[in-house]
Amino acid sequence: EPEVTQTPSHQVTQMGQEVILRCVPISNHLYFYWYRQILGQKVEFLVSFYNNEISEKSEIFDDQFSVERPDGSNFTLKIRSTKLEDSAMYFCASSGIDDGYTFGSGTRLTVV
Amino acid sequence: DQQVKQNSPSLSVQEGRISILNCDYTNSMFDYFLWYKKYPAEGPTFLISISSIKDKNEDGRFTVFLNKSAKHLSLHIVPSQPGDSAVYFCASAYNFNKFYFGSGTKLNVKP
Repeated sequence: EPEVTQTPSHQVTQMGQEVILRCVPISNHLYFYWYRQILGQKVEFLVSFYNNEISEKSEIFDDQFSVERPDGSNFTLKIRSTKLEDSAMYFCASSGIDDGYTFGSGTRLTVV
Repeated sequence: DQQVKQNSPSLSVQEGRISILNCDYTNSMFDYFLWYKKYPAEGPTFLISISSIKDKNEDGRFTVFLNKSAKHLSLHIVPSQPGDSAVYFCASAYNFNKFYFGSGTKLNVKP
């Protein structure tokens, strides 16, 4: 069964450093998403991406965040200057026209 | 942002019985609904979906019911199995673009 792959599974970074979280969506999917879940809280939408551009973003997705699909297969989330409150599980998801979402297994980001 | 609510944080059911998980939403524009389950330290696993043109969708032991007038969604698991023990999230969206998640219900199926 096709999978959404996320790397790394765990990333520890110092406050103020840049991090890039990587995702390989399912190959024939057209819509791509990033969500996060802070420990003990609900899953929160960050951004959706379609046709090589952001289609919607939440208030969480400020200027410190950016997304890219640099080579047609990877979908990355960059946080330019990490803050302690960015510590969370980050989930990538992709979907096709008629498919439900498929989520990756997540990257645990710890900012120290 | 409380557009999707799951008012029961936990549910305990005996193996073989029915589990009913409930979800309420406030935005009448929502036209697509999903249920996910999630194990600790793993990503959400898609279970079943329903669009607003239907009121019921079945997939094996899982059935989702949609009551648009009440803005209410439910997931029935029959029969419940111990392996179903997980946190279940409902999610709702319009234009297939941005999903709003509930806070989850932790289901415990006792052997």
